[in-house]
Amino acid sequence: GAVVSQHPSRVICKSGTSVKIECRSLDFQATTMFWYRQFPKQSLMLMATSNEGSKATYEQGVEKDKFLINHASLTLSTLTVTSAHPEDSSFYICSASSPSATDTQYFGPGTRLTVL
Amino acid sequence: DAKTTQPPSMDCAEGRAANLPCNHSTISGNEYVYWYRQIHSQGPQYIIHGLKNNETNEMASLIITEDRKSSTLILPHATLRDTAVYYCTPQGAQKLVFGQGTRLTINP
Repeated sequence: GAVVSQHPSRVICKSGTSVKIECRSLDFQATTMFWYRQFPKQSLMLMATSNEGSKATYEQGVEKDKFLINHASLTLSTLTVTSAHPEDSSFYICSASSPSATDTQYFGPGTRLTVL
Repeated sequence: DAKTTQPPSMDCAEGRAANLPCNHSTISGNEYVYWYRQIHSQGPQYIIHGLKNNETNEMASLIITEDRKSSTLILPHATLRDTAVYYCTPQGAQKLVFGQGTRLTINP
C-alpha cells in the first residue's frame, strides 16, 4: 500500500516559536496533500488542502498566516506553525492522495505538538 | 458536505464477525463511501471504499445499500488488534469529512 511519513513524530516547543512539520509520500507521487488537526477525544478536522505547485486552500476558521503550507514537490509538503501558543498543542496529521480515479487518501502517522 | 451517523461504541468477541453500520443518507451520487480506522495516537488507516457495489479486500467487506443511504463494514474474524475507532466518511471533491466514528472494542 501507499506509505506516507511525517517528521517529527513529536515536538515540544516554547510559546512564540515556529515549528515545521514534514509530510512525505514515500512510494507514490501525491498531487494533493491534506493537513488535519485532532484534539484529544475529538475527530479529525481538515485544516487545508494543498496541490503541488499552487497555494493551499484553507478551511473556514483556519488562519493561513499562522499555518503556512508549502507543497513544493510531488512527494513533500510542509506545515509550519508560526508563533505557536499553548492552544496550538494538538495532533497534526497529513494525508496524501494517490493519483487514481478515486483519489484515496493515505495518512501519515501524525505529529504530536506540545507548546509550553 | 454529506453527514454520517455511526454508533459511538460497539463490542465484539474475538474471532467473531464485527459489523459496523453507518448512515449517510445525504450522500451525493458521485461520492464514494470510505472507511478508515484509527488506533490510539496513530494516523488513520485506510480500510476500504465503494460507490455502489459491495466490495471486499483482505481487510474487510463493505456492503452498501441499493439506495446508498447506508453501509456496513464487516470485519469477518475480529482480532484484538482490530480494536480502534472506525470512521465512515463520504468523499466529495477529494475532501473527507470525519464524524465521531465508532469505537470498536474486541474482547478476548
